[in-house]
Amino acid sequence: DAGITQSPRHKVTETGTPVTLRCHQTENHRYMYWYRQDPGHGLRLIHYSYGVKDTDKGEVSDGYSVSRSKTEDFLLTLESATSSQTSVYFCAISEGQGRRAYEQYFGPGTRLTVT
Amino acid sequence: DQQVKQNSPSLSVQEGRISILNCDYTNSMFDYFLWYKKYPAEGPTFLISISSIKDKNEDGRFTVFLNKSAKHLSLHIVPSQPGDSAVYFCAASDGGSSNTGKLIFGQGTTLQVKP
Repeated sequence: DAGITQSPRHKVTETGTPVTLRCHQTENHRYMYWYRQDPGHGLRLIHYSYGVKDTDKGEVSDGYSVSRSKTEDFLLTLESATSSQTSVYFCAISEGQGRRAYEQYFGPGTRLTVT
Repeated sequence: DQQVKQNSPSLSVQEGRISILNCDYTNSMFDYFLWYKKYPAEGPTFLISISSIKDKNEDGRFTVFLNKSAKHLSLHIVPSQPGDSAVYFCAASDGGSSNTGKLIFGQGTTLQVKP
């Protein structure tokens, strides 16, 4: 199994508070991704990174920001959490070499509840 | 606008029989397709992929078929086993010049294989 951890695994927070989720990898993969999973929507890409300090938006980036200061860590921040951001968040990594970029390895997920 | 659609939320089959999971897409620029499998409380795992230059790819009990003219792909599992019970996500990518590994996922189909 690819070495990907997410923290925290579960979090309950109040509307309006900032929240940061962490993804940590030990594979030295170039690409990292943040997804959210919601019923009826599958997995939707929030932001991704193609290197240290190199990030770009995905399908559903509004209300989220990311940072990658080291190869191994990719942080997702909800600046002011809203109830619509209640979801399960997955981090993924890939080697980024041609077609292998699409074979992503996922972390175990973080269940976030915004009350 | 859902570019990748899995119209069957669930599927139930008997152990030993064939499971067929379907996926439709709308973007004719998609050129690489993948299936991921997800167990409860775990992250998705890569299962099998197919390039648009092929119409079939096989890996053990799993075969993916691609019909470009119909913009349709399917995953066949033969024979189905109880351990195959999971949520299956179809995903697609248009490659693009940067090859960042960005994927568009379908909503998922929950497969239940009954002993």
